[in-house]
Amino acid sequence: GQQVMQIPQYQHVQEGEDFTTYCNSSTTLSNIQWYKQRPGGHPVFLIQLVKSGEVKKQKRLTFQFGEAKKNSSLHITATQTTDVGTYFCAGRAGYGNKLVFGAGTILRVKS
Amino acid sequence: ETGVTQTPRHLVMGMTNKKSLKCEQHLGHNAMYWYKQSAKKPLELMFVYSLEERVENNSVPSRFSPECPNSSHLFLHLHTLQPEDSALYLCASSQDRGYGYTFGSGTRLTVV
Repeated sequence: GQQVMQIPQYQHVQEGEDFTTYCNSSTTLSNIQWYKQRPGGHPVFLIQLVKSGEVKKQKRLTFQFGEAKKNSSLHITATQTTDVGTYFCAGRAGYGNKLVFGAGTILRVKS
Repeated sequence: ETGVTQTPRHLVMGMTNKKSLKCEQHLGHNAMYWYKQSAKKPLELMFVYSLEERVENNSVPSRFSPECPNSSHLFLHLHTLQPEDSALYLCASSQDRGYGYTFGSGTRLTVV
């Protein structure tokens, strides 16, 4: 079945450093979504990418969808302590198909 | 408040008990979901309801029984659970199945 892998599993950065998490799917995706879960919280929807090669920005966050629509990345510029949490990608192979979540990347930020 | 409310927030139950988890969404969405989140595992989809019809049952044991009486409410009935069922159970909703999900705060379930 469809699998979504995320790397790294865990990253600890100094405040002000950049951070990137990568998501790879075993199948071509129709869209990919990103979520953030703060410690003790629940996943919160950040964004959805649909087009091949699409790049979207939200303040210090940059999201990218690969040309082949099988991979995606989330880049955070100049991390802050408020960025702490687990970042999940979730991919869908087609409309109506189930959304498959990656295992997430845990981000810790040292101040 | 996310617009998706789950109760209770915490639940401890014995293996012979019967309990129910409740989810209510105030967003006018037409699809609702149950997910299980265990430590060090990806979010596991359990059930999907679209327009009150169950459209997906992801090989979930029969000791978990969902119910969707209307598009705003979703229940997960639990009976004779096992300790390995201890996890965070998350409800989510979306407008159609192709859009972002809004998650509730979850129910932290412990089976003793």
